[in-house]
Amino acid sequence: AQSVTQLGSHVSVSEGALVLLRCNYSSSVPPYLFWYVQYPNQGLQLLLKYTSAATLVKGINGFEAEFKKSETSFHLTKPSAHMSDAAEYFCAVSSVASGSARQLTFGSGTQLTVLP
Amino acid sequence: ETGVTQTPRHLVMGMTNKKSLKCEQHLGHNAMYWYKQSAKKPLELMFVYSLEERVENNSVPSRFSPECPNSSHLFLHLHTLQPEDSALYLCASSQGAGGLQETQYFGPGTRLLVL
Repeated sequence: AQSVTQLGSHVSVSEGALVLLRCNYSSSVPPYLFWYVQYPNQGLQLLLKYTSAATLVKGINGFEAEFKKSETSFHLTKPSAHMSDAAEYFCAVSSVASGSARQLTFGSGTQLTVLP
Repeated sequence: ETGVTQTPRHLVMGMTNKKSLKCEQHLGHNAMYWYKQSAKKPLELMFVYSLEERVENNSVPSRFSPECPNSSHLFLHLHTLQPEDSALYLCASSQGAGGLQETQYFGPGTRLLVL
């Protein structure tokens, strides 16, 4: 079974500081990994995804993530935090539910707080 | 309307009520999903409809009943719920029959409170 672990349920950074949100995966096959963001009272929005085309993946809003097979990691980073980045971030891995049906298995999420 | 829409956005119901959640996708997708997001728990897949195949998480109680009349609409029928069923219910859709890299697009969710 595939799974993801997000280290740190809460992360606080100052505005302008580096954002680093950690995600480690467990998979017996090459994984397809996703980062989603959830703003208050909203659904999930895709930030970026890893599909094996490139190990460094660039997403929306200045976020990027690097796939490191040797470390089984897919950490999310942003060089300079903005107040609008405050939200909850979810790492997820895709797998087969059954037949043509796919499913995402999510980590427990990391709440990012940006301090002025 | 664009993307994935869900109605109602908020719902309060008693344990003896029957209600339904509605999801509609305007993306031309062929797969739709229900997820449950509870406080302090990871998002949990409840049901998938993909190319008319239904897949369900065996841990979902029978008081939740999905219905997918066509590829654009998905319902979640609720009856005799328990207070622990209070959560945010998220609907998602994806292209369907694609590879594992296909993206799921989420609606804004229905916030359910069971009294």
